Amino acid sequence: DAKTTQPPSMDCAEGRAANLPCNHSTISGNEYVYWYRQIHSQGPQYIIHGLKNNETNEMASLIITEDRKSSTLILPHATLRDTAVYYCIVRTNTGTASKLTFGTGTRLQVTL
Amino acid sequence: DAGVTQSPTHLIKTRGQQVTLRCSPKSGHDTVSWYQQALGQGPQFIFQYYEEEERQRGNFPDRFSGHQFPNYSSELNVNALLLGDSALYLCASSSGTGVFGELFFGEGSRLTVL
Repeated sequence: DAKTTQPPSMDCAEGRAANLPCNHSTISGNEYVYWYRQIHSQGPQYIIHGLKNNETNEMASLIITEDRKSSTLILPHATLRDTAVYYCIVRTNTGTASKLTFGTGTRLQVTL
Repeated sequence: DAGVTQSPTHLIKTRGQQVTLRCSPKSGHDTVSWYQQALGQGPQFIFQYYEEEERQRGNFPDRFSGHQFPNYSSELNVNALLLGDSALYLCASSSGTGVFGELFFGEGSRLTVL
């Protein structure tokens, strides 16, 4: 399985953009990059996913480099409620099954 | 529309006992995956069920077993509990087993083994 590397923690001022980096240098051509977040031991919450094109939804934007070896999750206007652990995940699809391989995540602290 | 529901939310067992955790998937979903999350760690994949069969398994011993019922709900069973089995057990559901789309997670069952 492709592994991901994320900084253990980051800080962001409320109202500013939060840019969370992720390295996945061993990603395969058919593997997707997913981002989830987990707020204080609740179940992980889906944010966004992509294969090779940049993606945007109501929560965030995902920028994937052309060689697909790294990506950045962007929260355009961070709020205190965005304080959470953010997981960058490579989703492995093996025929009739798929799984998420979580790393250690980035703990994002949004401050006033 | 109910999301993924898990029961019980908390439970305490002693070493050597057996535990059963339950999961009801989100409406319209037919695939259930189970994850174990130790304190301070990311969730680790245990196994996935689709069409009442185990489709893929992570690096967990045979003490961990599961079942999926015709209504798509699922159970996770852990036998001969060890102290190291203390964790948050998460259930995730999806439509089909493919890469596309998102997995919806429940709030988890927190197991403490004494």
